[in-house]
Amino acid sequence: QKEVEQDPGPLSVPEGAIVSLNCTYSNSAFQYFMWYRQYSRKGPELLMYTYSSGNKEDGRFTAQVDKSSKYISLFIRDSQPSDSATYLCALTFQGAQKLVFGQGTRLTINP
Amino acid sequence: SQTIHQWPATLVQPVGSPLSLECTVEGTSNPNLYWYRQAAGRGLQLLFYSVGIGQISSEVPQNLSASRPQDRQFILSSKKLLLSDSGFYLCAWQISGINYGYTFGSGTRLTVV
Repeated sequence: QKEVEQDPGPLSVPEGAIVSLNCTYSNSAFQYFMWYRQYSRKGPELLMYTYSSGNKEDGRFTAQVDKSSKYISLFIRDSQPSDSATYLCALTFQGAQKLVFGQGTRLTINP
Repeated sequence: SQTIHQWPATLVQPVGSPLSLECTVEGTSNPNLYWYRQAAGRGLQLLFYSVGIGQISSEVPQNLSASRPQDRQFILSSKKLLLSDSGFYLCAWQISGINYGYTFGSGTRLTVV
């Protein structure tokens, strides 16, 4: 069983839709949860960072962590064509030297 | 502010030729450094990471090697490239001991022909 599972998609939605991206994980030790956005032929950039359970909002983006279910989500409201990218979840815990990444979900927002 | 430089941006190399990719970080000391490879349409594969000068941990046995000759310099090398070495190579850094996530470089697209 992989430590982190993420549906690779591709996911295609119309502009303005609410997008939900998800990851599940198996290791209950994970404490820090991140979402990266990667445009084509570019390096990933950190989009959202959360610690432990709960929600965090930043503009049109909301990151949600449910540690009891080992489930994390990224919601994008009022999606725009510029949100078209691959989104990767990443998890780690205190003292770890590495992040564990999901496979990434390729998202396309159609105008 | 901290910046990460990775070069070259693209590279086309024949099979059997050597490889050297360089990554440098500015504005920080003693960072953790990472080399990843990303095949087309695939996830990130961790190749090597380093927590200090001369300290290299290898995640995947293959014909690649890494070195960290200076605190903020990380080099990925190969003596003889294989076709299967083609991919998008990414360098990343993280503040040592703090789990704020990585900052990635802009990547090198390597095509072995």
